[in-house]
Amino acid sequence: NAGVTQTPKFQVLKTGQSMTLQCAQDMNHNSMYWYRQDPGMGLRLIYYSASEGTTDKGEVPNGYNVSRLNKREFSLRLESAAPSQTSVYFCANSLEENQPQHFGDGTRLSIL
Amino acid sequence: GESVGLHLPTLSVQEGDNSIINCAYSNSASDYFIWYKQESGKGPQFIIDIRSNMDKRQGQRVTVLLNKTVKHLSLQIAATQPGDSAVYFCAENMASGGSQGNLIFGKGTKLSVKP
Repeated sequence: NAGVTQTPKFQVLKTGQSMTLQCAQDMNHNSMYWYRQDPGMGLRLIYYSASEGTTDKGEVPNGYNVSRLNKREFSLRLESAAPSQTSVYFCANSLEENQPQHFGDGTRLSIL
Repeated sequence: GESVGLHLPTLSVQEGDNSIINCAYSNSASDYFIWYKQESGKGPQFIIDIRSNMDKRQGQRVTVLLNKTVKHLSLQIAATQPGDSAVYFCAENMASGGSQGNLIFGKGTKLSVKP
């Protein structure tokens, strides 16, 4: 039982390259989330999916797109990476909204 | 308490002592609060949550206190152990003006336990 699995764990990109971060859950939870965490800061919500088939913007959506492929998978795409997107990206899920969120171990992304 | 700048506030305690980590939240309409623990290189781990209809909730070695009057949340850890060393985040749920899934995180407090 892996919970929330993120791939890759590390990635280095050049400015302008595109990249999709993958997230899969085996908890059968309805809601999924993407956050970014920058040094010395808490997590900021990029996008979330309250249930399969729906997605909504969070606090910092610019430069990102998401796809809720099915109940298990929620991917985050950077179409044209910028150095400001260097960060650690966390995927999370919750049974429903307003319930505890459970996090993966993150993708460390560096953009040169 | 929570920090605004790049440097996390640090709480240093002796092994076996009790720890209290504080958090000031921003929205009086928030009705759900969570404490997370984050170890180096890992994702945040759920510790305990509390809803606004309560002012205290206890778990195993942890207690969360909520004071809605002054918008303050605290996490108490009893008999702190070296394994408790981590960064602790509070998060509030902005129940009004948007999705209830939108957690707002504080910037964290680093707990350091001296053996």
